[in-house]
Amino acid sequence: QTVVTQEPSLTVSPGGTVTLTCASSTGAVTSGYYPNWFQQKPGQAPRALIYSTNNKHSWTPARFSGSLLGGKAALTLSGVQPEDEAEYYCLLYYGGAQVFGGGTKLTVL
Amino acid sequence: QVQLQESGPGLVKPSETLSLTCTVSGGSINDYYWSWIRQPPGKGLEWIGYIYYSGSTNYNPSLKSRVTISVDTSKNQFSLKLSSVTAADTAVYYCAREVGATRIDYWGQGTLVTVSS
Repeated sequence: QTVVTQEPSLTVSPGGTVTLTCASSTGAVTSGYYPNWFQQKPGQAPRALIYSTNNKHSWTPARFSGSLLGGKAALTLSGVQPEDEAEYYCLLYYGGAQVFGGGTKLTVL
Repeated sequence: QVQLQESGPGLVKPSETLSLTCTVSGGSINDYYWSWIRQPPGKGLEWIGYIYYSGSTNYNPSLKSRVTISVDTSKNQFSLKLSSVTAADTAVYYCAREVGATRIDYWGQGTLVTVSS
């Protein structure tokens, strides 16, 4: 049973920078896991932000960026806005199967 | 702009089969993978499985014995059947579009299915 692990919660001040990470129980996350990141606000469907590690969708704000960091996938928010308060989920691909992380609740305070 | 809309019963009895349909508008169902994802109340996301427009499928191993996903390209729809449901299957069910089985871009709004007698 593959497990994808994210920080349960993080807090950041408005205008600050925060990095969320996504780890795999199988070992280091590489670009071959095609890391995706999604944002979900209460009562809404998830919204895609990042795919294939660091690629943005046409609607993704510039302050969101993806990378690989220390064997994990990472999502960095620079210049955080109050509207960025949400749950963030990563998704990793395992040769056909796909596994979501447990989510990180980001509080902007 | 691609839009996805889930439809189906909001209440299913234990041991019965949950059936949902996702209708795709604003684009063709061809050339893409189409996924079902669920989220129990207050919990995280779980990938259920996907179908390619040609009909090939891939399911979450933990649900594989109970899941069937099918596609109707003439109607631009794909469907989910989950058999022998229990209260643990109560969740918001989302349909989504996958590109090349490496990224999800568009999501439906989700539909809550409650399993209860």
